[in-house]
Amino acid sequence: GAGVSQTPSNKVTEKGKYVELRCDPISGHTALYWYRQSLGQGPEFLIYFQGTGAADDSGLPNDRFFAVRPEGSVSTLKIQRTERGDSAVYLCASSAGTGAPQYFGPGTRLTVT
Amino acid sequence: DQQVKQNSPSLSVQEGRISILNCDYTNSMFDYFLWYKKYPAEGPTFLISISSIKDKNEDGRFTVFLNKSAKHLSLHIVPSQPGDSAVYFCAASGDNKFYFGSGTKLNVKP
Repeated sequence: GAGVSQTPSNKVTEKGKYVELRCDPISGHTALYWYRQSLGQGPEFLIYFQGTGAADDSGLPNDRFFAVRPEGSVSTLKIQRTERGDSAVYLCASSAGTGAPQYFGPGTRLTVT
Repeated sequence: DQQVKQNSPSLSVQEGRISILNCDYTNSMFDYFLWYKKYPAEGPTFLISISSIKDKNEDGRFTVFLNKSAKHLSLHIVPSQPGDSAVYFCAASGDNKFYFGSGTKLNVKP
């Protein structure tokens, strides 16, 4: 079956611009996670959805970052007024529920120039 | 402060031998642990997991060991194969959030 997909695979934007990153989870997976990965580091938790609601958004670095999952499936991570420090690979993962392993998408590489 | 640490950034092993990757954690509330494998330009791929009620879980060539008193887990791969060459991340969870180590790059030499 289809795995987690993320679009775009690469995004280059100028400092100060707005970007949206999309995640399509595995069908039927109720939990969806966003992570950010910098070079030489492991994935860093940003936000977790259970269904449509953000169950935990404590990892979002500041209020420029926002994520939605309006129908409990596809999710969009939104970054306003991008900064060069936002450059990283943004990973999405989904799981069948708590206590289940997460399955990751290929990531979106964001570069802010 | 990192709650999950992988202190070896790299490991080189001869094909056919055992690879042992290590991971330490600090939070005693973690109750679920996983290992992921990552190839360049791909997302991490789930490999194997273990619950805190167990101390060992085996799946083919992969075995994960958990030592709760030492807050340490390890992944054993035997026999190692060149296709196992990748970055391996350990992860821990206790509150539906997953905390990852910084990874160990495994190189299996033919």
